[in-house]
Amino acid sequence: NAGVTQTPKFRILKIGQSMTLQCTQDMNHNYMYWYRQDPGMGLKLIYYSVGAGITDKGEVPNGYNVSRSTTEDFPLRLELAAPSQTSVYFCASSYSRGGPYNEQFFGPGTRLTVL
Amino acid sequence: GESVGLHLPTLSVQEGDNSIINCAYSNSASDYFIWYKQESGKGPQFIIDIRSNMDKRQGQRVTVLLNKTVKHLSLQIAATQPGDSAVYFCAETHQAGTALIFGKGTTLSVSS
Repeated sequence: NAGVTQTPKFRILKIGQSMTLQCTQDMNHNYMYWYRQDPGMGLKLIYYSVGAGITDKGEVPNGYNVSRSTTEDFPLRLELAAPSQTSVYFCASSYSRGGPYNEQFFGPGTRLTVL
Repeated sequence: GESVGLHLPTLSVQEGDNSIINCAYSNSASDYFIWYKQESGKGPQFIIDIRSNMDKRQGQRVTVLLNKTVKHLSLQIAATQPGDSAVYFCAETHQAGTALIFGKGTTLSVSS
């Protein structure tokens, strides 16, 4: 299994541009998450999904959109990039949300810079 | 604000020493805790977890201790190795929650 894969690894955007960060998992996990990690900080949840067709906001959703058309894929969309969105973005997945199965598996991250 | 935090941003130890990384949480409803290790340029990697009905859980060279009275969590690494150098995050959730809440992290540096 490849686990959680993310593309691209790095990206530089100009203010106002848009892009989609891709995330795919091959573990048949129901739950998927998008986090951002600012320098020296912990991860903050942007959006999450509990299954195909179902998404919900996390702690810092403004400026982002997501969709979940399949179990495997959970893309994150930035419509109008702003410097405040410069961060490292991690996608994660888990079997369920609670108890001993809540271990989240993380992808390698996408480093995004908005200039 | 964050409900989970770490006491020290950095910890430096010698190879072979035992390391203790601490974490305080503020949400008394939290019932599940996880320690993650993040190496430079990589995503967080699961180390060990503990549920609130336990005080201690051991893995390979790692032990997590949970003190619910003072809402404190610690990660002990035995015989620390250079490969243990990384940022360590504690994270918490509760049964009604939907995702993990992460602390800021402690950077562990191991010198030979």
